[in-house]
Amino acid sequence: AQTVTQSQPEMSVQEAETVTLSCTYDTSENNYYLFWYKQPPSRQMILVIRQEAYKQQNATENRFSVNFQKAAKSFSLKISDSQLGDTAMYFCALTPTQGAQKLVFGQGTRLTINP
Amino acid sequence: NAGVMQNPRHLVRRRGQEARLRCSPMKGHSHVYWYRQLPEEGLKFMVYLQKENIIDESGMPKERFSAEFPKEGPSILRIQQVVRGDSAAYFCASSPSLDYGYTFGSGTRLTVV
Repeated sequence: AQTVTQSQPEMSVQEAETVTLSCTYDTSENNYYLFWYKQPPSRQMILVIRQEAYKQQNATENRFSVNFQKAAKSFSLKISDSQLGDTAMYFCALTPTQGAQKLVFGQGTRLTINP
Repeated sequence: NAGVMQNPRHLVRRRGQEARLRCSPMKGHSHVYWYRQLPEEGLKFMVYLQKENIIDESGMPKERFSAEFPKEGPSILRIQQVVRGDSAAYFCASSPSLDYGYTFGSGTRLTVV
C-alpha cells in the first residue's frame, strides 16, 4: 500500500516571501511519479509540478521547485516570490509507473498568501 | 481542445434518489479515472476505465455505485439510492496513455438532502 502524508494543515505567508510545503510518502514500488497539485477555490485540480523517482535532478517550473529526497521519502514544494494567486489548497500525490497509475493523495495544505 | 468536461457542476438529490455524473474526456483520451473528495480531504481513487472496459474498480463502494465508459458518449458515474454520506465532490480525469499523466475536470459537487 502507498501512503502520502502532509503534516501542515495550514500555512500563511506574506506576498513575495518564499514558502515550503512538506510531503512524505511511503511506497514499496521501485519507480513512481510524485506530483504537487493546486486546488484554488474554483475547485479545479491544477498540476503544479511532477517528478519521476528515477531522476535525481529536482524538478522546477518557474517559481515552483521541489526538494526530492528519495532515501528519506520526502518531496517538499518550494514556492518562491509568492503571489496572491498562489492562495489555494496544495495536494501532494504519488502513483507507481506500472499498472493502473492510480493517484494516492495527501490530506492537503491550505496555503494563504497575504498582501 | 475543451479539456475534461464534467456536468453538472452542482447536483442536489434527496435521499434515496439516483445521481448520474457525466464526464467527457479530452479528445483522443481513452483512459478515464474517477475520484471522490470529501470535505477537507484529498481525492480518493474510485475507478479506472478504458473504452467499454472497467480496468480497476478497487476504490468503488461495493453497493449502489457503478461506472461505465461506453464506445460512444461520456463516462457515467451512477450512484443509486443516495445517502447523506455520498455528499462530496466527484472528479473525473482523462489521459491519452498510461505514461502521459492526466488532466482533471472541474468536478461535480453532489449534495444529498
